[in-house]
Amino acid sequence: AQKITQTQPGMFVQEKEAVTLDCTYDTSDPSYGLFWYKQPSSGEMIFLIYQGSYDQQNATEGRYSLNFQKARKSANLVISASQLGDSAMYFCAMRDPYNAGNMLTFGGGTRLMVKP
Amino acid sequence: NAGVTQTPKFRVLKTGQSMTLLCAQDMNHEYMYWYRQDPGMGLRLIHYSVGEGTTAKGEVPDGYNVSRLKKQNFLLGLESAAPSQTSVYFCASSYGADGGNQPQHFGDGTRLSIL
Repeated sequence: AQKITQTQPGMFVQEKEAVTLDCTYDTSDPSYGLFWYKQPSSGEMIFLIYQGSYDQQNATEGRYSLNFQKARKSANLVISASQLGDSAMYFCAMRDPYNAGNMLTFGGGTRLMVKP
Repeated sequence: NAGVTQTPKFRVLKTGQSMTLLCAQDMNHEYMYWYRQDPGMGLRLIHYSVGEGTTAKGEVPDGYNVSRLKKQNFLLGLESAAPSQTSVYFCASSYGADGGNQPQHFGDGTRLSIL
């Protein structure tokens, strides 16, 4: 069984500073994928970034980057130059490659609050 | 670009009533999913479908049924609603077997309250 853990229920960050949101996972499969989603107060789920287990480089998408440490089984999201609009819930999720439906297992989320 | 559309957005039911949540996607995705999100928690998979006419159970399937009669639609049914089913329901879709590195695209959610 796969498991995703986000140990930070809530975090504060000063506007324009960088912040790291933690995500650890547990799987015995060598092939897997990790996703980060943002959920603002309006409720929708917004895809941010993806990291494959065989990717040689850490994923980056604009101000978002993934600090992927495979041996530690961690895939932390780094947001650079935080903005007020970054205040939201952030979810880490892992794809199980060995099921028929590319299903995702989600962590419990981290609430990020950006202070002006 | 409609993407994934969920109907309705809000609904209040009484215990024992039935209802169907509709999900429609216009991205020609093979796979579709229904999740529930309880307060302060992540999403949990209820049922999913890997193609028209197929459905399968997820992590929390009890009390729900689904149907995928058309590729673009995925219906979630509650036969006899219970207060424990009060939640926000999300539908998602994604590419098929070759799209494992592609994200799931989500609808805006349906907020369901069972009294």
